[in-house]
Amino acid sequence: ETGVTQTPRHLVMGMTNKKSLKCEQHLGHNAMYWYKQSAKKPLELMFVYNFKEQTENNSVPSRFSPECPNSSHLFLHLHTLQPEDSALYLCASTQVGGRPSGNTIYFGEGSWLTVV
Amino acid sequence: GDSVTQMEGPVTLSEEACLTINCTYTATGYPSLFWYVQYPGEGLQLLLKATKADDKGSNKGFEATYRKETTSFHLEKGSVQVSDSAVYFCAPNLDSNYQLIWGAGTKLIIKP
Repeated sequence: ETGVTQTPRHLVMGMTNKKSLKCEQHLGHNAMYWYKQSAKKPLELMFVYNFKEQTENNSVPSRFSPECPNSSHLFLHLHTLQPEDSALYLCASTQVGGRPSGNTIYFGEGSWLTVV
Repeated sequence: GDSVTQMEGPVTLSEEACLTINCTYTATGYPSLFWYVQYPGEGLQLLLKATKADDKGSNKGFEATYRKETTSFHLEKGSVQVSDSAVYFCAPNLDSNYQLIWGAGTKLIIKP
């Protein structure tokens, strides 16, 4: 148990579906992230929220839409995805401030997404 | 730009063998350095970290020393177990931001 909970753990969706991934952190952190992990590729940072404000969007297609209603919750809304979007989506959080580079990033267990 | 280079996997060893997974990085600042581990079917979790030069991080029998002169942070373990089979990620964290630079990871397979 890392303090970061992701649901659902597994999701299969069609290309015309709309679904959402949910992340909740119980660590009192003020920054949250979405990463995409595909086979044999480095982790790809998708979005960063710092104090609920989006501070990073790494050229992610608009079919991925993040939402951060408060510092503990993060959503990733999915719409008209493509098969190549099938991957493990990881949520993470950390505490920004002080000497941020020394702060540990805590990950959830991920949501396995399959687009058919 | 800033980057990290890890050994390509998979690395296959027998139980009780010695392990070294090499990691080197390029960065303009003085990053903190992390090793994360991902067990099958799970997310990433912190294995160990070091925040300044010559620091040694250690956990679960694994060690890594922050070598500023060679910009390296090699992961070592004296005697690996089957349960150490996982993917290991080296990740520098730059002072200029709180995001990690990720390598592709090194898959480790330990055979009984």
